[in-house]
Amino acid sequence: AQTVTQSQPEMSVQEAETVTLSCTYDTSESNYYLFWYKQPPSRQMILVIRQEAYKQQNATENRFSVNFQKAAKSFSLKISDSQLGDTAMYFCAFMKQVANFGNEKLTFGTGTRLTIIP
Amino acid sequence: GAVVSQHPSWVICKSGTSVKIECRSLDFQATTMFWYRQFPKQSLMLMATSNEGSKATYEQGVEKDKFLINHASLTLSTLTVTSAHPEDSSFYICSAANPTGPGKYFGPGTRLLVL
Repeated sequence: AQTVTQSQPEMSVQEAETVTLSCTYDTSESNYYLFWYKQPPSRQMILVIRQEAYKQQNATENRFSVNFQKAAKSFSLKISDSQLGDTAMYFCAFMKQVANFGNEKLTFGTGTRLTIIP
Repeated sequence: GAVVSQHPSWVICKSGTSVKIECRSLDFQATTMFWYRQFPKQSLMLMATSNEGSKATYEQGVEKDKFLINHASLTLSTLTVTSAHPEDSSFYICSAANPTGPGKYFGPGTRLLVL
């Protein structure tokens, strides 16, 4: 079974600063996907970024980037130039890579509540 | 992008009644949908995996007879909370598999309050 750990229950940062959210995971799988999801106060889950384990290059999406360390089983999210709209719960998630990934479930971490201070 | 809807967004019911929550994939077919429960300030807890045309797969500890799941079509899955009790009050979220990639799309959630 997979486990995902987020050791920072809450974080806050000034607007325009950079913040890094930590995530570690445990798995015996070799091929898998890692995700960061954002849940703003509306509670709508939004995909922020995805990383395929077979890719060495870290994924980036505009102001969001990850530091994927496969050997260390670490997957941190960096938010640059943070904005007020980034205030949300952030969940790290794991999914095994299978032939029919549609049937495969996500395993979530406990989340980090991020507050951007004006 | 793909959209998943849920209905209703809010429901208040009396203890002992049943409540049905619908999850629809609006512009794609979803052979598999997932139902989660989320308590305030906590993570999403997977309740069951809903498969079109077959029985749902429930996670350990989730009562099958209490949380009835029906996935009757490729665009609709329903979760029925039977004989609801106040402890069933929670936020229920569904998700559907992205037909073109490994991600999941999430519905906006349904807040259930049982009085």
